[in-house]
Amino acid sequence: QQPVQSPQAVILREGEDAVINCSSSKALYSVHWYRQKHGEAPVFLMILLKGGEQKGHEKISASFNEKKQQSSLYLTASQLSYSGTYFCGTQEGGNTGKLIFGQGTTLQVKP
Amino acid sequence: KAGVTQTPRYLIKTRGQQVTLSCSPISGHRSVSWYQQTPGQGLQFLFEYFSETQRNKGNFPGRFSGRQFSNSRSEMNVSTLELGDSALYLCASSLMPGPNEQFFGPGTRLTVL
Repeated sequence: QQPVQSPQAVILREGEDAVINCSSSKALYSVHWYRQKHGEAPVFLMILLKGGEQKGHEKISASFNEKKQQSSLYLTASQLSYSGTYFCGTQEGGNTGKLIFGQGTTLQVKP
Repeated sequence: KAGVTQTPRYLIKTRGQQVTLSCSPISGHRSVSWYQQTPGQGLQFLFEYFSETQRNKGNFPGRFSGRQFSNSRSEMNVSTLELGDSALYLCASSLMPGPNEQFFGPGTRLTVL
């Protein structure tokens, strides 16, 4: 089942912060975050594994609540380059590449 | 290091035809996944291949099929095309299956008329 992302869209001014949430009804092994700009392929941001391990960019932070099967992506001091659609992708097993993506959150950063 | 390449980049077909899309993963990557992206349904998982074996298949009809070759290159085939198959088809590669970064290709934009 597809994870649910919130909000669906957000508009920020440069320098403002945003939080994007991802919630699943299934037990998760990991949560992945990707950003896609218009006309481009999704680009990897971060992976959060159950147990607390994280892999990803230094300037991006995220959390994963294993009990609630929820993840949040924190975008601080936003820049114009942060604009795009953010997707969370969930994995239920540790031995698969299959990702089930949320519907996406569109972020627009204005000067 | 070259990224994931997909060919062709654009394709126009008519209903009832079939199509084959190709994906070349990053050198050394052995896991390939395919996704369909549409405005209405978002990013949907199609298949996952590793070592020439299909490990997972998404909820798509049997008209959608794929395979992986010994050099890790992958193809997907859609037979008897329908208007609803119009989409961006994305291929992603990673070193191995599991919680690893997936590198996406630029996609193939398929339009079915």
